[in-house]
Amino acid sequence: KNEVEQSPQNLTAQEGEFITINCSYSVGISALHWLQQHPGGGIVSLFMLSSGKKKHGRLIATINIQEKHSSLHITASHPRDSAVYICAVIETDKLIFGTGTRLQVFP
Amino acid sequence: DTGVSQDPRHKITKRGQNVTFRCDPISEHNRLYWYRQTLGQGPEFLTYFQNEAQLEKSRLLSDRFSAERPKGSFSTLEIQRTEQGDSAMYLCASSPQGEYEFFGPGTRLTVL
Repeated sequence: KNEVEQSPQNLTAQEGEFITINCSYSVGISALHWLQQHPGGGIVSLFMLSSGKKKHGRLIATINIQEKHSSLHITASHPRDSAVYICAVIETDKLIFGTGTRLQVFP
Repeated sequence: DTGVSQDPRHKITKRGQNVTFRCDPISEHNRLYWYRQTLGQGPEFLTYFQNEAQLEKSRLLSDRFSAERPKGSFSTLEIQRTEQGDSAMYLCASSPQGEYEFFGPGTRLTVL
């Protein structure tokens, strides 16, 4: 069993839909990252959070430390949101990554 | 461009050859990380440096792999006697301690 599990693995949506990606982890962490990876490999950090909720534009990330669970929400999804979204937890100074959720948003 | 850069972006080599990749982090970042990503998987931690000190190495990093950061700035990752299983994207990231990691574009290695 992976230390970081994401669901779903693949997700398709119509433009405008509300998207939720879930992440569960089994190790003790100091913080959790949500990352976005576009085709070709470039990775961008979206959020780093250790408690509660953060919002940036149409993106919202929440974390429940007691339940070892985090969610990434995208409101009013757009085709340019199509990418792989990766959850990664910080365990003793290094990141442990989930396998990612491939999101495709169609017009 | 003041982001993390990696060179080369693509490398094709024959099995048994040695390859070396370079990562130039954001200049004020004291931490530098190397990750490996195979197709359809999330990245896996290989090693990281704080300044010039290599603080941790993954069990994934066999004796054929070596990483250096001699002056606490750029880093190199060398793979000796490459094998087909080494084919992957090698990602470098840097951060100020305890902060966001900024990722480079990666070096895609193909071992024939």
